Amino acid sequence: DGGITQSPKYLFRKEGQNVTLSCEQNLNHDAMYWYRQDPGQGLRLIYYSQIVNDFQKGDIAEGYSVSREKKESFPLTVTSAQKNPTAFYLCASYRGSGYTFGSGTRLTVV
Amino acid sequence: KNEVEQSPQNLTAQEGEFITINCSYSVGISALHWLQQHPGGGIVSLFMLSSGKKKHGRLIATINIQEKHSSLHITASHPRDSAVYICAGVKTSYDKVIFGPGTSLSVIP
Repeated sequence: DGGITQSPKYLFRKEGQNVTLSCEQNLNHDAMYWYRQDPGQGLRLIYYSQIVNDFQKGDIAEGYSVSREKKESFPLTVTSAQKNPTAFYLCASYRGSGYTFGSGTRLTVV
Repeated sequence: KNEVEQSPQNLTAQEGEFITINCSYSVGISALHWLQQHPGGGIVSLFMLSSGKKKHGRLIATINIQEKHSSLHITASHPRDSAVYICAGVKTSYDKVIFGPGTSLSVIP
């Protein structure tokens, strides 16, 4: 079955280290998205990409970077510049038939 | 005013009760997703609706486009239904999904 795979489900890193979250889809979807959720708050858009080799900043892009070298993959790097990286990160993809959501990665920085 | 709003924010129910969670949204949203998130867990997509009604097991989702309102119903609620339920609106231009703040449901045995 087609879907989105986010790995790992839980991730721990030391403060000051960059960390890359994986998002892979086999749905042939053009657009992909990254969202962040803080405890007790709603999901907010970090970055999105509508086609390969192109991406745009969302509402809270500072401290993050992305790449879209392949249609299937949209990795998110949480850099050391991100002041509060501990959060739940959700990847999604879209084509005309609708959105598909990954299950998310819970990142804890200690 | 948020583009997607949910009510109630928190809900506690006794096992077996019929539960309704509401979502209202603004102009420019063409479809809605209902998502479920268990405590400390990931996101599970329950429904996507652009019109009418959908049913899956004990879950029913409805949408009224004219009133810009959607509801998620849970029949014969069970403690395992305890989770945060999130309504997400799809913008007509597909560069954005707008998430509601979520409704935290607790079902007590």
